[in-house]
Amino acid sequence: DSGVTQTPKHLITATGQRVTLRCSPRSGDLSVYWYQQSLDQGLQFLIQYYNGEERAKGNILERFSAQQFPDLHSELNLSSLELGDSALYFCASSVGTSGGTDTQYFGPGTRLTVL
Amino acid sequence: AQKITQTQPGMFVQEKEAVTLDCTYDTSDPSYGLFWYKQPSSGEMIFLIYQGSYDQQNATEGRYSLNFQKARKSANLVISASQLGDSAMYFCAMRSYQAGTALIFGKGTTLSVSS
Repeated sequence: DSGVTQTPKHLITATGQRVTLRCSPRSGDLSVYWYQQSLDQGLQFLIQYYNGEERAKGNILERFSAQQFPDLHSELNLSSLELGDSALYFCASSVGTSGGTDTQYFGPGTRLTVL
Repeated sequence: AQKITQTQPGMFVQEKEAVTLDCTYDTSDPSYGLFWYKQPSSGEMIFLIYQGSYDQQNATEGRYSLNFQKARKSANLVISASQLGDSAMYFCAMRSYQAGTALIFGKGTTLSVSS
């Protein structure tokens, strides 16, 4: 168990809908990262938050947004869902230091299926 | 551009044998970190081992060791005494400090361990 929790574990929804994925980082970690894993694109970085502030952006669509709350949990909002958004969405957390190992520990993921 | 290449889509090994999973990387940043993660069929991403670009010695964590050859830009994972529970997908990832805090992943290698 990495200490990172994600809910829900599975999510099935229809095209055009909006969903929210939730992540709680490991105790003491200030950084939260969101990744998308799909068969065709592999593992891709979406966005990072550090202590409530957006720190870095990757290949995140405009239909997607995220935030990190004062208690450091994070939510990833996916709207106007398309079939191609079906994927495994991971949250990872780290201490957030700029150097050193700053290993990212992953949650169990949320499997999103868009029908 | 930062890139991770894993050329072995699948590897097969018998229990108690050692196996090497290949990883080559490309970066112009002198400061970077290399990571290996394991993804069992259940889907979670498990951190295995880390190697920093300035580390003089190869990293080891239990049965896992990282064969780091900086001049060749390779960071192969060696698993000694394979176990049935090692059957999983293995991902090599890099974090380049110039490029930011996101992990860049390879496409992965599926390891199958048989008895």
